[in-house]
Amino acid sequence: DTEVTQTPKHLVMGMTNKKSLKCEQHMGHRAMYWYKQKAKKPPELMFVYSYEKLSINESVPSRFSPECPNSSLLNLHLHALQPEDSALYLCASTRGFIGWGYTFGSGTRLTVV
Amino acid sequence: DQQVKQNSPSLSVQEGRISILNCDYTNSMFDYFLWYKKYPAEGPTFLISISSIKDKNEDGRFTVFLNKSAKHLSLHIVPSQPGDSAVYFCAAKIQGAQKLVFGQGTRLTINP
Repeated sequence: DTEVTQTPKHLVMGMTNKKSLKCEQHMGHRAMYWYKQKAKKPPELMFVYSYEKLSINESVPSRFSPECPNSSLLNLHLHALQPEDSALYLCASTRGFIGWGYTFGSGTRLTVV
Repeated sequence: DQQVKQNSPSLSVQEGRISILNCDYTNSMFDYFLWYKKYPAEGPTFLISISSIKDKNEDGRFTVFLNKSAKHLSLHIVPSQPGDSAVYFCAAKIQGAQKLVFGQGTRLTINP
């Protein structure tokens, strides 16, 4: 298995809703990442988990809450989002050394209404 | 402050010819550079990387060149194929840091 699987592929949520994005990999990668990508912009790092512990939070608002229940699974819990949070949310993982490249999932297209 | 810049939003190349995608950077602490390819509705796919101590790395049709003095790198694709049509992102890793900084991307179109 050489994939990072993200679900759902599309999500529409209201500003008062609570939802979660899910990311799964079975490659034994010990670092996992959440990136956010707006249209015509580069991916921007949100969070990094290393060995199931949060190692980087890029000053992301608390309405985004990451969780790493085990080494294969990464969640992003969403609550009280704003329309400007609408974007493509990408999950990625690496075996360890980033110079070997991330493996990205296909992303979740989130629309906040 | 855009530390990694891809100044060409788009590039059109004829099939069979060479595609050259360019990337400039400003941070001298970058120690690895990577290229990713992205199709619509898919996540980026890793193509090739280069360490800052090297000036060239080759993998099949893809070659990355690094000019440290100019803070410039380029990706050469030879020969270009229709399946190469995608958005290409340049990315860089800061020494000691566990994250990548991406450029804005260049949309490459290969014409038959």
